[in-house]
Amino acid sequence: KQEVTQIPAALSVPEGENLVLNCSFTDSAIYNLQWFRQDPGKGLTSLLLIQSSQREQTSGRLNASLDKSSGRSTLYIAASQPGDSATYLCAVPLAHSGSARQLTFGSGTQLTVLP
Amino acid sequence: KAGVTQTPRYLIKTRGQQVTLSCSPISGHRSVSWYQQTPGQGLQFLFEYFSETQRNKGNFPGRFSGRQFSNSRSEMNVSTLELGDSALYLCASSQKVPGQGFSGANVLTFGAGSRLTVL
Repeated sequence: KQEVTQIPAALSVPEGENLVLNCSFTDSAIYNLQWFRQDPGKGLTSLLLIQSSQREQTSGRLNASLDKSSGRSTLYIAASQPGDSATYLCAVPLAHSGSARQLTFGSGTQLTVLP
Repeated sequence: KAGVTQTPRYLIKTRGQQVTLSCSPISGHRSVSWYQQTPGQGLQFLFEYFSETQRNKGNFPGRFSGRQFSNSRSEMNVSTLELGDSALYLCASSQKVPGQGFSGANVLTFGAGSRLTVL
C-alpha cells in the first residue's frame, strides 16, 4: 500500500524567503508525481507534474524534483509572496491500480507567507 | 475554456437521507474521478469513470455510487447518509488518451467541490 508523507505539516515564513516542501512515498514504483495547491474551501490546482523519467520540473518560481530511488520529492518556492499562502499537496498514482488518475495524496503542508 | 463545474457547492442533509452530486468535466475530457476530503482522512479516491464505465473504485462502502453519461458528465450518489459522510467532495477531469496508459495527458483538473454537511 502506497503511503505519502509531507513534512512539515505547517510552515510560516516571511515574504521573500525561499522555501522547500518535502514529500516522501513508500512505493517507488510510481509513474509520476504531482504537486497541487489548495486554497481554503476551494478545489485543487495542479502546479507541476513530474513523470517518472524526469528528475525535475519548473514553472515560474516553482521547481519540483523527484528522486524515485529514495522515495522523495521536493517543491522549491523561490521568493515567496503572501499570495503563495495555501496548502500544498503531493500525490502519486496507485501504481498497481491500472489508472493514472487514482491518486494517493499526502496530508499537505499548510504554508503561510507573512507580509 | 470552462473548468470543471460541480453542483451544488453547498448542501445540508440529515442522517438517513441520500444525496446526488453532479460534475461537468472540461469539454473534451472523458475521464472523471471523484475524491472525498475530510480533516481526519485527507483526500481519498472514490471512483473513476471513463466512457460511461466505472474503471476503479476506492475503499468505500456500497452506499457510495456513481455514473457517467454519454456527454462525460458524472454524478455520484450517497445513500443512507451518516455523520461521517460530511466532507468536501471533489471531482476531477482528465484528458485520458486511450493507449497512453500512465504517460501523457493525465494531469487532473479539479472542480471547486461540493461541501456536504450531514446533521
